[in-house]
Amino acid sequence: GESVGLHLPTLSVQEGDNSIINCAYSNSASDYFIWYKQESGKGPQFIIDIRSNMDKRQGQRVTVLLNKTVKHLSLQIAATQPGDSAVYFCAESLDSNYQLIWGAGTKLIIKP
Amino acid sequence: GAGVSQSPSNKVTEKGKDVELRCDPISGHTALYWYRQSLGQGLEFLIYFQGNSAPDKSGLPSDRFSAERTGGSVSTLTIQRTQQEDSAVYLCASSLASRLQETQYFGPGTRLLVL
Repeated sequence: GESVGLHLPTLSVQEGDNSIINCAYSNSASDYFIWYKQESGKGPQFIIDIRSNMDKRQGQRVTVLLNKTVKHLSLQIAATQPGDSAVYFCAESLDSNYQLIWGAGTKLIIKP
Repeated sequence: GAGVSQSPSNKVTEKGKDVELRCDPISGHTALYWYRQSLGQGLEFLIYFQGNSAPDKSGLPSDRFSAERTGGSVSTLTIQRTQQEDSAVYLCASSLASRLQETQYFGPGTRLLVL
């Protein structure tokens, strides 16, 4: 079936640098996308979402970019901090469907 | 305010035994979800409850899995005759569901190990 493709890679960044986490999705009909952060031993925590009628959305230190042409989603974290260390998941859904389709996650490691 | 809580936080059981996992959603949240997460993997949808509507059980992997939600609040996920492949973290989430795609708030999960 359709799925968000994100094989679990690890991204290592220097503290203070910007981080970019990428996600490819396969269902061109998906119109809602979310990024979640999961710290070790905890449940996922909502970070930011974006609808398909937008290509960029900003939050506090985070920006999500959506490129529908190539079905690509990215999460940018500015001035990465040690507390940003976690696994980051993207997820997609159709507006008519409450089910989220989750990717496998990217582990973000912050180097001091 | 209180978030989603789950119990137990960890459960070790022997193959063939039944287990019950509990989820207390955020008060006032009408939607409740169960997910399964294997080590290093994404979340696998199991079941969805919305108010008094019939639950969406389409994600349950086998008939050994069942869930109920009493009084529109607390939910219990039951796994009968557990198998080693059932070992995973079981996550519960709730949302307001006043509209579709409300943000889901997750509990800390129950880590199940089947020996």
